[in-house]
Amino acid sequence: AQTVTQSQPEMSVQEAETVTLSCTYDTSESDYYLFWYKQPPSRQMILVIRQEAYKQQNATENRFSVNFQKAAKSFSLKISDSQLGDAAMYFCAYRSRWTDKLIFGTGTRLQVFP
Amino acid sequence: DAGVIQSPRHEVTEMGQEVTLRCKPISGHDYLFWYRQTMMRGLELLIYFNNNVPIDDSGMPEDRFSAKMPNASFSTLKIQPSEPRDSAVYFCASSYSTGSSTDTQYFGPGTRLTVL
Repeated sequence: AQTVTQSQPEMSVQEAETVTLSCTYDTSESDYYLFWYKQPPSRQMILVIRQEAYKQQNATENRFSVNFQKAAKSFSLKISDSQLGDAAMYFCAYRSRWTDKLIFGTGTRLQVFP
Repeated sequence: DAGVIQSPRHEVTEMGQEVTLRCKPISGHDYLFWYRQTMMRGLELLIYFNNNVPIDDSGMPEDRFSAKMPNASFSTLKIQPSEPRDSAVYFCASSYSTGSSTDTQYFGPGTRLTVL
């Protein structure tokens, strides 16, 4: 069974600085998707970024980028120029190409200090 | 688009009462998912539908839980009778057909359920 591990329960960063959130996963499949979702205090789950496993190029969305290491089964999220509004829980998620189920990690709480 | 709509946003009820949570997916999405989030268990998939048909309900915790999708624009999750351990945030999410490049799940704002 696939699993997703986020080993950092909490992280903190100074405003305007860069922070990296870690995520590793376990799967025997070669075709899958990976996601980072953000959950601010409002509870809304917001998609931050998505990566297809067959793509070698790392996904980027404005200040958010990933470091996808398929062989190492690692999918870290880098937030550049951190803003106060980035403070939230961040969830890493995995979905096989062949199923519809999202498997979530336990989340990392990110604090941003002015 | 208005996004996934859930109602109510908050629900407080007493043990033994029936609770009905509602969801309107994004128009055109043919998949609908119900999740539950708790501190102890994190985010769990309860059930999901494709074209209004339940595909996998293996995550539904007990027979007290039931879900329906009578049409493409509406789904309900019902708990009867409710128990304090059902207290959680319940999310609805929708997506296009999976296997395409547009199969990301988009979540609603959630319903916070408190069972006293």
